[in-house]
Order: sequence, then structure tokens, then C-alpha cells
Amino acid sequence: GEEVAQTPKHLVRGEGQKAKLYCAPIKGHSYVFWYQQVLKNEFKFLISFQNENVFDETGMPKERFSAKCLPNSPCSLEIQATKLEDSAVYFCASSLLREQYFGPGTRLTVT
Amino acid sequence: KNEVEQSPQNLTAQEGEFITINCSYSVGISALHWLQQHPGGGIVSLFMLSSGKKKHGRLIATINIQEKHSSLHITASHPRDSAVYICAVVSNFGNEKLTFGTGTRLTIIP
Repeated sequence: GEEVAQTPKHLVRGEGQKAKLYCAPIKGHSYVFWYQQVLKNEFKFLISFQNENVFDETGMPKERFSAKCLPNSPCSLEIQATKLEDSAVYFCASSLLREQYFGPGTRLTVT
Repeated sequence: KNEVEQSPQNLTAQEGEFITINCSYSVGISALHWLQQHPGGGIVSLFMLSSGKKKHGRLIATINIQEKHSSLHITASHPRDSAVYICAVVSNFGNEKLTFGTGTRLTIIP
């Protein structure tokens, strides 16, 4: 597609439950990035992929967060045993060269 | 100290005014992005710069690599320009990830 798609738009989970977010990058884009936005203006890089390979995972809290980009499937970001501090908007972005195109985000609320 | 600093944090102006938002960074970069985040939360990429100046409609972005500084200008501002403007850099380490500034909240009053 011509836009980055993210689902779901909103996700509510009780503390300790699992959350799974999906991202369909723009067709033909080889890079996918996941960012977490907390407190409105604070963005944190989580992980990036080059095609289906992890490119940079230096931002991932490894104990509970995992991510995949498999061929012919949306990319996914999974949080096991969510905590209150995981409440944030999670943005996915894709790029072909250097310019990144953002999806609309998934708002995760952990209660 | 953040690697990417923006000023001002908040800016309120009258419709028609010329707006300048500044971004300074402390790392070597391969590119700098200006992003716009609407009140609804969506993020739009306005510019990607690695040198010089770019113009799109009423928006102009400049970058001075030697001084590690970029500016975003809006001419003839309009209430629909009200949004958060975010500067983000790609370091020259080769990892392509964005490091974000804390944003400038712009409000244009009719």
C-alpha cells in the first residue's frame, strides 16, 4: 500500500496481560522502525528491521518486548506481561532510502 | 543534555505572523527531519535535509551542518498550522534510527 498501516488503533490491557501490535509497511520499503511515544512529546526508538532481519534492537527492553517482520505478513511488536509504564502510543515507520513514513500509531493503555 | 534540543518549547502567535522554530544537535548526523504531529496524533514528515535549504509551500527548512543547527520557518501562519513540530536526526553511525527533539507546540490564533 501507499501508507503505513497500524492495527489496532487503540488497545487496552490489564497489567500482566499480553499486547500485540501490527504494522504493514509501504510496499517496497525495506526498513521498518518501531518508536514509543510517552508523555506526548517523548519518543524512544525500540527496534528496526531491514526486510525480515533485525537491523538495530538497542532500544528494546528485551525481557518483555519482542518484534518480528516475516515475509508476506505484517510486522508485529509484542509485549508480554504489560506494565503500567508501557502505556504509550507506538508508532511504526517504514523507509526505502532515508525518509521515514509514519503510521497512525497504536495507543496502548495498560490499566 | 539531550542530543537534540528545540526552542521554543511553546509558541503562540497571531495569524499571519512569520514563525521560526530552532533545532540544535550535538552528534554527527547524516540527515535531519522536520515532522509535524497533529492534535489527533498523526505524524507527517515535512522535510528531510542533509544540507542547505528546502521549501514547500509556506514552509522553509534550513540546516547549517558546521553549526549543528536547523530552523523551520512558516510564512503567513494560519490556524491550521497549529501542531507540534518535531526535529529528529539520523546519526552518522549507520543505524538509520531517528533521535527526536522534545517538540515545539505551535498555536496560531485567528
